[in-house]
Amino acid sequence: GAVVSQHPSWVICKSGTSVKIECRSLDFQATTMFWYRQFPKQSLMLMATSNEGSKATYEQGVEKDKFLINHASLTLSTLTVTSAHPEDSSFYICSATNRRDRGQGEQFFGPGTRLTVL
Amino acid sequence: DQQVKQNSPSLSVQEGRISILNCDYTNSMFDYFLWYKKYPAEGPTFLISISSIKDKNEDGRFTVFLNKSAKHLSLHIVPSQPGDSAVYFCAASYNNAGNMLTFGGGTRLMVKP
Repeated sequence: GAVVSQHPSWVICKSGTSVKIECRSLDFQATTMFWYRQFPKQSLMLMATSNEGSKATYEQGVEKDKFLINHASLTLSTLTVTSAHPEDSSFYICSATNRRDRGQGEQFFGPGTRLTVL
Repeated sequence: DQQVKQNSPSLSVQEGRISILNCDYTNSMFDYFLWYKKYPAEGPTFLISISSIKDKNEDGRFTVFLNKSAKHLSLHIVPSQPGDSAVYFCAASYNNAGNMLTFGGGTRLMVKP
């Protein structure tokens, strides 16, 4: 159990376009979903924390208007990179906390989405 | 300011031997620690965790040790297998309710056959 999927797994887009990435918890309801970004050979940097039905909490330095997060249900969160530029090229990973297993502590991660902006 | 640090970017170990991955933290408010394994172009997978009220947690070949006074934790893998080759991240949080994790920079483990 505790499977998290992301779609798409890889996307290439032109500079200036917007890209939407979906994160779904397939077999559990997620209390909270998290969005991370990973640059090559670097650690995962938390971008924002998303609770179902409420506004996302963004980390310092992350532009809210640039990275739009919507958490419409307990199984789906979306990250939209608006007006993407080459510097937004990165590996974006979501994770989710299992509502039933609250107290376990671990987050379950999606497989990631590689965004390449030309 | 890195609150969680993994000072060794890489580690090479012979198959069958012990792998020891280290992690240091600076924030004394952290009370829950986790280790994740990550393959390239994939999301991290949870390995093992430990609460600050314990100093050791074991799960099969994986054991995590926590030294609170030194703000240090380590992951031991024994015996190491080639399939263990991956990047290992330690992470810390303020509680065990699945809240925000702060990750270390990762250590790339290579297990040689």
